[in-house]
Amino acid sequence: EVQVLESGGGLVQPGGSLRLSCAASEFTFSSYAMIWVRQAPGKALEWVSGIGGSGSDRYYADSVKGRFTISRDNPKNTLYLQMNNLRADDTAVYYCAKDHVSGDGLWLPGSWGQGTLVTVSS
Amino acid sequence: FVLTQSPGTLSLSPGERATLSCRASQSISSNYLAWYQQKPGQAPRLLIYGASSRATGIPDRFSGSGSGTDFTLTVSRLEPEDFAVYYCQQYSRSPALTFGGGTKVEI
Repeated sequence: EVQVLESGGGLVQPGGSLRLSCAASEFTFSSYAMIWVRQAPGKALEWVSGIGGSGSDRYYADSVKGRFTISRDNPKNTLYLQMNNLRADDTAVYYCAKDHVSGDGLWLPGSWGQGTLVTVSS
Repeated sequence: FVLTQSPGTLSLSPGERATLSCRASQSISSNYLAWYQQKPGQAPRLLIYGASSRATGIPDRFSGSGSGTDFTLTVSRLEPEDFAVYYCQQYSRSPALTFGGGTKVEI
Protein backbone atom coordinates (compact mmCIF):
# COMPACT_ATOMS: atom_id res chain seq x y z
CA GLU A 1 0.00 0.00 0.00
CA VAL A 2 1.26 3.46 -0.94
CA GLN A 3 2.46 5.39 2.08
CA VAL A 4 3.55 8.97 2.57
CA LEU A 5 4.43 10.22 6.04
CA GLU A 6 5.10 13.84 6.91
CA SER A 7 7.29 15.08 9.74
CA GLY A 8 9.02 18.22 10.90
CA GLY A 9 6.11 20.38 11.96
CA GLY A 10 6.06 22.36 15.18
CA LEU A 11 5.90 25.78 16.77
CA VAL A 12 8.06 28.49 15.26
CA GLN A 13 8.25 32.24 15.77
CA PRO A 14 7.33 34.68 12.99
CA GLY A 15 10.30 35.12 10.70
CA GLY A 16 11.65 31.71 11.58
CA SER A 17 12.33 28.65 9.45
CA LEU A 18 11.24 25.04 9.39
CA ARG A 19 11.89 22.09 7.10
CA LEU A 20 9.19 19.53 6.50
CA SER A 21 9.94 16.03 5.28
CA CYS A 22 7.74 13.45 3.61
CA ALA A 23 8.92 9.85 3.55
CA ALA A 24 7.44 7.75 0.77
CA SER A 25 7.21 3.99 0.40
CA GLU A 26 5.60 1.21 -1.63
CA PHE A 27 5.82 3.01 -4.96
CA THR A 28 8.54 4.09 -7.40
CA PHE A 29 9.09 7.52 -5.90
CA SER A 30 11.10 9.01 -8.77
CA SER A 31 8.30 8.27 -11.24
CA TYR A 32 5.76 10.55 -9.58
CA ALA A 33 5.31 14.25 -9.13
CA MET A 34 4.80 15.19 -5.51
CA ILE A 35 2.64 17.94 -4.09
CA TRP A 36 2.32 19.94 -0.87
CA VAL A 37 -1.14 21.12 0.20
CA ARG A 38 -1.94 22.95 3.41
CA GLN A 39 -5.05 23.57 5.47
CA ALA A 40 -5.34 26.39 7.98
CA PRO A 41 -7.46 25.60 11.06
CA GLY A 42 -11.12 25.41 10.04
CA LYS A 43 -10.35 26.46 6.48
CA ALA A 44 -10.32 24.91 3.02
CA LEU A 45 -7.42 23.17 1.33
CA GLU A 46 -4.76 25.31 -0.37
CA TRP A 47 -2.15 24.15 -2.88
CA VAL A 48 1.36 25.16 -1.82
CA SER A 49 3.92 23.61 -4.16
CA GLY A 50 4.66 20.79 -6.56
CA ILE A 51 7.76 19.10 -7.95
CA GLY A 52 8.24 16.78 -10.90
CA GLY A 53 9.67 13.29 -10.59
CA SER A 54 13.21 14.26 -11.57
CA GLY A 55 13.16 17.32 -9.32
CA SER A 56 13.91 19.78 -12.11
CA ASP A 57 10.38 21.22 -12.39
CA ARG A 58 9.21 23.12 -9.32
CA TYR A 59 6.13 25.24 -8.83
CA TYR A 60 4.83 27.47 -6.04
CA ALA A 61 1.68 29.26 -5.01
CA ASP A 62 2.05 33.04 -5.06
CA SER A 63 1.51 33.10 -1.29
CA VAL A 64 4.75 31.20 -0.64
CA LYS A 65 6.91 32.06 -3.65
CA GLY A 66 10.32 33.33 -2.61
CA ARG A 67 9.94 31.96 0.93
CA PHE A 68 9.40 28.22 0.47
CA THR A 69 11.57 25.76 -1.46
CA ILE A 70 10.46 22.30 -2.51
CA SER A 71 13.01 19.59 -3.18
CA ARG A 72 13.32 15.82 -3.26
CA ASP A 73 15.93 13.15 -2.69
CA ASN A 74 14.93 10.27 -4.94
CA PRO A 75 17.47 7.72 -3.61
CA LYS A 76 16.08 8.41 -0.13
CA ASN A 77 12.42 8.43 -1.28
CA THR A 78 11.93 11.70 0.55
CA LEU A 79 10.24 14.99 -0.29
CA TYR A 80 11.09 18.24 1.49
CA LEU A 81 9.61 21.68 2.01
CA GLN A 82 12.00 24.31 3.33
CA MET A 83 9.96 27.16 4.79
CA ASN A 84 11.67 30.47 5.55
CA ASN A 85 10.45 33.82 6.81
CA LEU A 86 7.34 32.20 8.21
CA ARG A 87 4.26 34.28 8.95
CA ALA A 88 1.23 33.74 11.16
CA ASP A 89 -0.91 33.00 8.12
CA ASP A 90 1.35 30.05 7.27
CA THR A 91 -0.12 28.26 10.30
CA ALA A 92 -1.72 25.10 8.94
CA VAL A 93 -1.59 21.35 8.64
CA TYR A 94 0.75 20.56 5.76
CA TYR A 95 0.01 17.48 3.69
CA CYS A 96 2.22 15.83 1.14
CA ALA A 97 0.56 13.89 -1.64
CA LYS A 98 1.60 11.66 -4.50
CA ASP A 99 0.33 12.38 -8.01
CA HIS A 100 -2.43 10.05 -9.04
CA VAL A 101 -0.54 8.98 -12.18
CA SER A 102 3.12 8.54 -13.00
CA GLY A 103 5.26 10.08 -15.70
CA ASP A 104 4.18 13.45 -17.03
CA GLY A 105 1.36 13.13 -14.55
CA LEU A 106 -1.73 15.14 -13.86
CA TRP A 107 -0.55 16.99 -10.77
CA LEU A 108 -3.59 15.45 -9.12
CA PRO A 109 -3.11 14.60 -5.43
CA GLY A 110 -3.98 10.92 -5.22
CA SER A 111 -2.52 9.46 -2.02
CA TRP A 112 -2.12 11.79 0.96
CA GLY A 113 -0.19 11.62 4.19
CA GLN A 114 -1.77 12.37 7.55
CA GLY A 115 -0.22 15.83 7.70
CA THR A 116 2.05 17.73 10.04
CA LEU A 117 0.99 20.84 11.95
CA VAL A 118 2.98 24.04 11.60
CA THR A 119 2.16 26.81 14.07
CA VAL A 120 3.71 30.24 13.60
CA SER A 121 3.33 32.29 16.73
CA SER A 122 5.32 34.35 19.17
CA PHE B 1 -9.54 30.86 -11.09
CA VAL B 2 -12.26 30.29 -8.47
CA LEU B 3 -14.28 27.21 -7.58
CA THR B 4 -17.52 27.91 -5.72
CA GLN B 5 -19.17 25.04 -3.88
CA SER B 6 -22.79 25.02 -2.78
CA PRO B 7 -24.44 24.65 -0.46
CA GLY B 8 -22.04 25.38 2.35
CA THR B 9 -23.80 22.87 4.57
CA LEU B 10 -26.18 20.08 3.66
CA SER B 11 -28.31 18.57 6.43
CA LEU B 12 -29.58 15.12 5.52
CA SER B 13 -30.41 11.74 7.02
CA PRO B 14 -28.85 8.34 6.32
CA GLY B 15 -30.41 6.79 3.24
CA GLU B 16 -31.12 10.14 1.60
CA ARG B 17 -29.56 11.43 -1.59
CA ALA B 18 -26.92 14.16 -1.46
CA THR B 19 -26.28 16.51 -4.37
CA LEU B 20 -23.27 18.80 -4.14
CA SER B 21 -22.43 21.52 -6.64
CA CYS B 22 -19.12 22.98 -7.81
CA ARG B 23 -19.08 25.94 -10.18
CA ALA B 24 -15.91 27.22 -11.85
CA SER B 25 -15.22 30.82 -12.80
CA GLN B 26 -13.80 29.61 -16.11
CA SER B 27 -14.30 26.47 -18.15
CA ILE B 28 -12.29 23.45 -16.96
CA SER B 29 -10.63 21.79 -19.91
CA SER B 30 -10.57 18.03 -20.31
CA ASN B 31 -12.97 17.80 -17.35
CA TYR B 32 -9.98 17.92 -15.02
CA LEU B 33 -12.17 18.19 -11.94
CA ALA B 34 -11.77 16.04 -8.82
CA TRP B 35 -13.73 15.51 -5.61
CA TYR B 36 -12.31 14.70 -2.19
CA GLN B 37 -13.86 13.61 1.08
CA GLN B 38 -12.38 14.75 4.38
CA LYS B 39 -13.42 13.56 7.83
CA PRO B 40 -12.42 15.40 11.03
CA GLY B 41 -8.76 14.90 11.88
CA GLN B 42 -8.09 12.95 8.69
CA ALA B 43 -6.42 13.65 5.37
CA PRO B 44 -8.54 14.18 2.28
CA ARG B 45 -9.38 11.09 0.25
CA LEU B 46 -9.68 11.18 -3.55
CA LEU B 47 -13.18 10.10 -4.59
CA ILE B 48 -13.66 11.22 -8.19
CA TYR B 49 -11.30 12.44 -10.91
CA GLY B 50 -11.88 13.43 -14.51
CA ALA B 51 -15.27 14.70 -13.32
CA SER B 52 -16.83 11.22 -13.31
CA SER B 53 -14.23 8.47 -12.74
CA ARG B 54 -14.26 6.83 -9.33
CA ALA B 55 -10.91 6.32 -7.64
CA THR B 56 -9.92 2.83 -6.59
CA GLY B 57 -12.04 1.44 -3.78
CA ILE B 58 -14.69 4.15 -3.87
CA PRO B 59 -18.24 2.74 -3.55
CA ASP B 60 -20.54 3.15 -6.53
CA ARG B 61 -23.01 5.21 -4.50
CA PHE B 62 -20.60 8.09 -5.23
CA SER B 63 -20.90 9.54 -8.72
CA GLY B 64 -19.65 12.66 -10.45
CA SER B 65 -21.00 14.50 -13.45
CA GLY B 66 -20.74 17.78 -15.31
CA SER B 67 -18.54 19.62 -17.75
CA GLY B 68 -17.34 23.10 -18.57
CA THR B 69 -18.07 25.20 -15.51
CA ASP B 70 -20.71 23.16 -13.66
CA PHE B 71 -20.02 19.92 -11.85
CA THR B 72 -21.95 17.75 -9.41
CA LEU B 73 -21.10 15.10 -6.86
CA THR B 74 -23.98 12.80 -5.97
CA VAL B 75 -24.15 10.34 -3.11
CA SER B 76 -27.12 8.15 -3.96
CA ARG B 77 -27.88 6.82 -0.46
CA LEU B 78 -25.99 8.31 2.44
CA GLU B 79 -24.28 5.90 4.78
CA PRO B 80 -23.29 7.01 8.31
CA GLU B 81 -19.63 7.13 7.25
CA ASP B 82 -20.40 9.57 4.40
CA PHE B 83 -21.02 12.51 6.72
CA ALA B 84 -17.95 14.64 6.08
CA VAL B 85 -16.67 17.69 4.20
CA TYR B 86 -16.35 17.42 0.44
CA TYR B 87 -14.02 19.52 -1.72
CA CYS B 88 -13.87 19.94 -5.46
CA GLN B 89 -10.54 20.70 -7.11
CA GLN B 90 -9.45 21.59 -10.63
CA TYR B 91 -6.21 20.37 -12.14
CA SER B 92 -6.68 21.69 -15.69
CA ARG B 93 -4.29 24.51 -14.92
CA SER B 94 -1.85 22.21 -13.22
CA PRO B 95 0.56 22.25 -11.58
CA ALA B 96 -1.26 25.18 -9.96
CA LEU B 97 -4.26 23.59 -8.29
CA THR B 98 -7.43 25.25 -7.04
CA PHE B 99 -9.76 23.90 -4.38
CA GLY B 100 -13.31 24.90 -3.63
CA GLY B 101 -14.40 26.11 -0.23
CA GLY B 102 -16.02 22.81 0.71
CA THR B 103 -19.50 21.48 1.45
CA LYS B 104 -20.20 19.94 4.84
CA VAL B 105 -22.68 17.06 4.79
CA GLU B 106 -24.11 16.70 8.26
CA ILE B 107 -26.78 14.62 9.90
